Amino acid sequence: NAGVMQNPRHLVRRRGQEARLRCSPMKGHSHVYWYRQLPEEGLKFMVYLQKENIIDESGMPKERFSAEFPKEGPSILRIQQVVRGDSAAYFCASSYGTENTEAFFGQGTRLTVV
Amino acid sequence: SQQGEEDPQALSIQEGENATMNCSYKTSINNLQWYRQNSGRGLVHLILIRSNEREKHSGRLRVTLDTSKKSSSLLITASRAADTASYFCATGSNTGKLIFGQGTTLQVKP
Repeated sequence: NAGVMQNPRHLVRRRGQEARLRCSPMKGHSHVYWYRQLPEEGLKFMVYLQKENIIDESGMPKERFSAEFPKEGPSILRIQQVVRGDSAAYFCASSYGTENTEAFFGQGTRLTVV
Repeated sequence: SQQGEEDPQALSIQEGENATMNCSYKTSINNLQWYRQNSGRGLVHLILIRSNEREKHSGRLRVTLDTSKKSSSLLITASRAADTASYFCATGSNTGKLIFGQGTTLQVKP
């Protein structure tokens, strides 16, 4: 059973371009969470999704950011018109349940906006 | 907003010594979890302690939880150089959403 797979591992975008980050959860996991980590800081929750539904997007900026978890395929975090402040590591986690359940994290995508 | 505050921010010890990290939080929780992160890598889950538990062990790890003080501690006994990493506490809600602290950077010198 492969772990949580994120790709790409590193992504460089120029200001104004779009960034698409992908996350394939562990097999059997239907809960996906996205977190952002700035250098020397802890992770900050962005969004929680189940298949085809956004459950909690309270941590996601209202503009330029969107997330989806389609019936088939990976979860996608999309950042439009990237700015330098979007440079960070973006981590995806998945779990099979919610209450008192361990979350498994991917290796992250490091986005650099130049 | 960050839920947890961790103390100390950085800790440097000799191999074989014990390392203790503390975490405080603000609101009610379902559980509290500890994660390790090696530089530039993803997070590895260490231990989960439920809100109705007071202490939990896993190998060289011991976690305590005091819900009256809204605090938790992680003890790593007989530390090894390979334990060098950042350690994060995170409070878990009933949706599985995690709120992380700022982390403690642990350096274990051989």
